[in-house]
Amino acid sequence: DAKTTQPPSMDCAEGRAANLPCNHSTISGNEYVYWYRQIHSQGPQYIIHGLKNNETNEMASLIITEDRKSSTLILPHATLRDTAVYYCIVRAALTGANSKLTFGKGITLSVRP
Amino acid sequence: GAVVSQHPSWVICKSGTSVKIECRSLDFQATTMFWYRQFPKQSLMLMATSNEGSKATYEQGVEKDKFLINHASLTLSTLTVTSAHPEDSSFYICSAHRGYGYEQYFGPGTRLTVT
Repeated sequence: DAKTTQPPSMDCAEGRAANLPCNHSTISGNEYVYWYRQIHSQGPQYIIHGLKNNETNEMASLIITEDRKSSTLILPHATLRDTAVYYCIVRAALTGANSKLTFGKGITLSVRP
Repeated sequence: GAVVSQHPSWVICKSGTSVKIECRSLDFQATTMFWYRQFPKQSLMLMATSNEGSKATYEQGVEKDKFLINHASLTLSTLTVTSAHPEDSSFYICSAHRGYGYEQYFGPGTRLTVT
């Protein structure tokens, strides 16, 4: 699986949009970009994933650059409960044992009141 | 939908004893389950992958005789930490995969403290 690079931390004000960047310059054609987050002392939570088109769901939007070498997770209106470590993971959409996820260090998002 | 539970949520045991942690997919059948370990201020590290009815596949450096994994059904996997030592104290997290086209869903984690 391709490696991802994320800044270690960032903060944003409550109610504002949080834009979390991720670099994945070695991504290959069949690999998706996945985002998970982990709130302190809990298991990770799936947020969103995409291949090349931008994606949006009830939690967030995922913007993938045209060359697919980077992406941005957008939380449109951050709340204090969004404070967590966010993991950007690149992986092919496989099944079984090949669907394992490799977690990097992630980016710690702190939402301030 | 897609709820994964773990039991217990936390456990304290004495050094030398064994501890079993259960991971259940509550509303779906999981073709594959994964076990992760997370030390304080570190990321999740995959320990092993298990498929129902077959032996688990362990990551390099993980002792299979110490961390026994049983995937008895499509909704239950167990991790037994045998002869636990203080260095095994960690946050153990399982995830369940429903199959192609679905995501992995994670349990809430089990905090193990070995005294």
